Amino acid sequence: DADVTQTPRNRITKTGKRIMLECSQTKGHDRMYWYRQDPGLGLRLIYYSFDVKDINKGEISDGYSVSRQAQAKFSLSLESAIPNQTALYFCATSDLWETQYFGPGTRLLVL
Amino acid sequence: GDSVTQMEGPVTLSEEAFLTINCTYTATGYPSLFWYVQYPGEGLQLLLKATKADDKGSNKGFEATYRKETTSFHLEKGSVQVSDSAVYFCALTTINAGGTSYGKLTFGQGTILTVHP
Repeated sequence: DADVTQTPRNRITKTGKRIMLECSQTKGHDRMYWYRQDPGLGLRLIYYSFDVKDINKGEISDGYSVSRQAQAKFSLSLESAIPNQTALYFCATSDLWETQYFGPGTRLLVL
Repeated sequence: GDSVTQMEGPVTLSEEAFLTINCTYTATGYPSLFWYVQYPGEGLQLLLKATKADDKGSNKGFEATYRKETTSFHLEKGSVQVSDSAVYFCALTTINAGGTSYGKLTFGQGTILTVHP
């Protein structure tokens, strides 16, 4: 079984809709992250969490919110989706010593 | 702030050719450096890393040396295979005084590699 799972893997939604992307990990790590990937821009950090009570904004948090329901679960919400949020979204987890483990990604299309 | 710059792609090679993908960085602290690889339809996975100057990371025939004097971490492979076709990302994270990571990775824009038979 995969260490980091994301649901859904693909999602099409309409402008103005609220959607949630979910992430679960079985590695037992405290640290979790949400990134978005756009062509030619690499990955950019949206939010990160170092434990259940510690949530921090990344470089592009506007328009997004997160919830850390448990050590193993970290959800990303788009409160009111807009077309420029169309992207590939990745969840990741890490221990204290750097290496991040990524999920397979969620491809989101906002019409 | 921290930043990572990779050579522009895409890169197209024939099988068994030599590969170099350039990566340079700027960092406010003392960084650890990484190469991640993304195969088609998959998430990123760690390819190799180096945590201090002059360290060489290696894996699956790929190598990269942490060059503090030139702030570079170029990825090389002596003989590429079709199965190496993927997107390659250079990344860094900075380390605190206690030796653990601040956690945030800064990525380059990625380089698409295509290897033809």
